[in-house]
Amino acid sequence: EVQLLESGGGLVQSGGSLRLSCAASGFAFSTYAMIWIRQAPGKGLEWVSAISGNGGTTYYADTVKGRFTISRDNSKNTLYLQMNSLRGEDTAVYYCTKDQGSWAWDHWGQGTVVSVSS
Amino acid sequence: QSALTQPASVSGSPGQSITISCTGTSSDVGSYNFVSWYQQHPGKAPKLMIYEGSKRPSGVSNRFSGSKSGNTASLTIYGLRAEDEADYYCFSHAGSTPWVFGGGTKLTVL
Repeated sequence: EVQLLESGGGLVQSGGSLRLSCAASGFAFSTYAMIWIRQAPGKGLEWVSAISGNGGTTYYADTVKGRFTISRDNSKNTLYLQMNSLRGEDTAVYYCTKDQGSWAWDHWGQGTVVSVSS
Repeated sequence: QSALTQPASVSGSPGQSITISCTGTSSDVGSYNFVSWYQQHPGKAPKLMIYEGSKRPSGVSNRFSGSKSGNTASLTIYGLRAEDEADYYCFSHAGSTPWVFGGGTKLTVL
């Protein structure tokens, strides 16, 4: 059974940093691209950052480019999102999701909440 | 990164069929067959319902159907049930962008 378990969310002041982690199990982690998708309170879904299976290719939404860094440790089956210079508009539930092979996201974690206070 | 355009809300009675549209451009929906649809119930993580425009993952009811015409993708739900009431989002590959979400549609089962 595929499982994705996010951690690392919390309350942080504007300008601060957080590191999200996503522990994956139940599939060949290094084979699949992974993506972070977020959802602000009462709002829609927004893709944040994605990474290829071997970590060699990364993608960032314009809203986080230069502030967030995605990475993965395939030896630990873990995905990361380093978030720096956090802003109020980064407040959201952050989901870790797995690519099913054609840029569709077939398994999602339960989400971790990031709250940025000003 | 402009969002794909979805209606804010749609509604239907049990047993009826409804269609949710997702309008993009020739740079995203119109150029790629990588459109996916997600269902989200309140307080829950989204669930993949359709990928590559019209394919259903294992376990998704065949009452859910996806299609595309030009720059518009569509999700049709046949035989509406109370449990289908949820938010629905479309998502498309968009070339160098490289992806874009729709704004979401709230489905109400009357």
